[in-house]
Amino acid sequence: TQLLEQSPQFLSIQEGENLTVYCNSSSVFSSLQWYRQEPGEGPVLLVTVVTGGEVKKLKRLTFQFGDARKDSSLHITAAQPGDTGLYLCAGAEWSFNKFYFGSGTKLNVKP
Amino acid sequence: SQTIHQWPATLVQPVGSPLSLECTVEGTSNPNLYWYRQAAGRGLQLLFYSVGIGQISSEVPQNLSASRPQDRQFILSSKKLLLSDSGFYLCACRASRENEQFFGPGTRLTVL
Repeated sequence: TQLLEQSPQFLSIQEGENLTVYCNSSSVFSSLQWYRQEPGEGPVLLVTVVTGGEVKKLKRLTFQFGDARKDSSLHITAAQPGDTGLYLCAGAEWSFNKFYFGSGTKLNVKP
Repeated sequence: SQTIHQWPATLVQPVGSPLSLECTVEGTSNPNLYWYRQAAGRGLQLLFYSVGIGQISSEVPQNLSASRPQDRQFILSSKKLLLSDSGFYLCACRASRENEQFFGPGTRLTVL
């Protein structure tokens, strides 16, 4: 059973379009991380959200942590081919000893 | 900030052979260390984590084992590999008093 559900699993869009990726759970997390991974490489941390309702912006990427700390979203504005990759969300349990990963969203941005 | 090294980068092994993957960390002390396995294009499955030297927590029963002989060294092993052990193995580190993980470059294991 996947603790964190990500949707959609696959997304193929044209350059310049906007998109949103969702990460949902019935569990409450102390914090939530978003990673981006390219084939054959380790995931790279994009952002950590800690406070319920928190919104963080990283250039064209906007991350939001749900008020109840159970869900999160990643919104990309004007997607570019360089945004192509696998996006993973991960929730940290309160001891920070364990992190639970979503199944990933594979994004392909076509030029 | 911490740097995580993994080797080898790729490995092809026959079924029934032993395995040893190594992960070392620089730039932090007393970190939590993790081994994950990833199927192609999918999420990460936590295999083991360690909060200190000699302390290993296993998340799923399987053909693998882990050891932490030094503070910044984490080893993933198997006595006899199975075909189902093929995958992309990732080592991760969480610095003490921090709430996020950082990943190594990974090892691609193919069992034939």
